[in-house]
Amino acid sequence: AQSVAQPEDQVNVAEGNPLTVKCTYSVSGNPYLFWYVQYPNRGLQFLLKYITGDNLVKGSYGFEAEFNKSQTSFHLKKPSALVSDSALYFCAVRDMKGNMLTFGGGTRLMVKP
Amino acid sequence: GAGVSQSPSNKVTEKGKDVELRCDPISGHTALYWYRQSLGQGLEFLIYFQGNSAPDKSGLPSDRFSAERTGGSVSTLTIQRTQQEDSAVYLCASSLAGDILYEQYFGPGTRLTVT
Repeated sequence: AQSVAQPEDQVNVAEGNPLTVKCTYSVSGNPYLFWYVQYPNRGLQFLLKYITGDNLVKGSYGFEAEFNKSQTSFHLKKPSALVSDSALYFCAVRDMKGNMLTFGGGTRLMVKP
Repeated sequence: GAGVSQSPSNKVTEKGKDVELRCDPISGHTALYWYRQSLGQGLEFLIYFQGNSAPDKSGLPSDRFSAERTGGSVSTLTIQRTQQEDSAVYLCASSLAGDILYEQYFGPGTRLTVT
């Protein structure tokens, strides 16, 4: 069975500083990895995905993520955080055979001015 | 263009009652998914529809839960004899197809509260 772990319930960052939200995964076969963001009272919004190719994936709103096969990680990063980035972030994995996304528990990002 | 829409946005029901939640996917999207987001369980997959194929019901937690998709578009998730543990936000998502290449677009969710 596939699984995703987001080890931090909350990440606090000062505006303008770089941010990292951690994600590790477990899946049989090739992993297909996704990051979604959820703002209060809103649905999940797609940020980026890794299917194949370059390990560094660039997505919406200046976010990027690095796929590391040996560490089975897919950490989300942004060089300079904004207060408006404060939200709940979910990492998800899907395998080739499965029909659904398996999500991590979510990490709340708090960016302070 | 219009995104995934869900109705109602909020639903409060008494324990034991049946409820129906509706999802309108993005036009032209053949794949439709239901997920549940709750405090204790996080985000869980419930059911998946792809075109006219038989749905993948592997995530439904009990036989009180069922879903249908009429005409390959609108979907209804039905919960019979609701229990307090059914309280959660029910999210619907659609994608252009079920293939791994296509990301899922989520609706705003229906918040279900069972009293």
